[in-house]
Amino acid sequence: DGGITQSPKYLFRKEGQNVTLSCEQNLNHDAMYWYRQDPGQGLRLIYYSQIVNDFQKGDIAEGYSVSREKKESFPLTVTSAQKNPTAFYLCASSPQGQGNSPLHFGNGTRLTVT
Amino acid sequence: QQPVQSPQAVILREGEDAVINCSSSKALYSVHWYRQKHGEAPVFLMILLKGGEQKGHEKISASFNEKKQQSSLYLTASQLSYSGTYFCGTAPLRATNSGGYQKVTFGTGTKLQVIP
Repeated sequence: DGGITQSPKYLFRKEGQNVTLSCEQNLNHDAMYWYRQDPGQGLRLIYYSQIVNDFQKGDIAEGYSVSREKKESFPLTVTSAQKNPTAFYLCASSPQGQGNSPLHFGNGTRLTVT
Repeated sequence: QQPVQSPQAVILREGEDAVINCSSSKALYSVHWYRQKHGEAPVFLMILLKGGEQKGHEKISASFNEKKQQSSLYLTASQLSYSGTYFCGTAPLRATNSGGYQKVTFGTGTKLQVIP
């Protein structure tokens, strides 16, 4: 079955360390996204990519970086510059532009930084 | 700008109905609805693309009033499985960036609990 795989499900890091969250999809979708979810704040867009080797900043990109070297993969790096990295991170994909096509989400990675 | 959802939380008994509202300060191209259960990924329910459009998914339906820049999600004869947090996402009606991308911005969610 096609879908989006995020790994790991839980991740623990010490403050000051960079950490990379994995996101792989086999839906053959062109567009991929990273969202951050905090309690009571809904989903906030970190980065998105409409095509391989191209990506754009979302609303809260500071302290994060991404790459899109393959259509299937869109890893997110949480750098030490991110002031409040502890959160639930969701990766998503869509077949075309976000405005008129549904988002397919992975099961998320819960990152805890102490 | 983030759409506003109301109510923030609601508790229903099985079989009761509920309405969740989503309003935007901007003219809208589309409204999306998702449901998320605790610790899980959000699941797509429906997209409404045209003004005045109404869609249904089992006993869940939605309307989109383009003039009022708002959408409502209707849950009828609620079931225990309807419990979760419902998010609306809105895409603005404006010129898209290069490549035709329209960003969807999500509301803060409505927590729905259905009890026996």
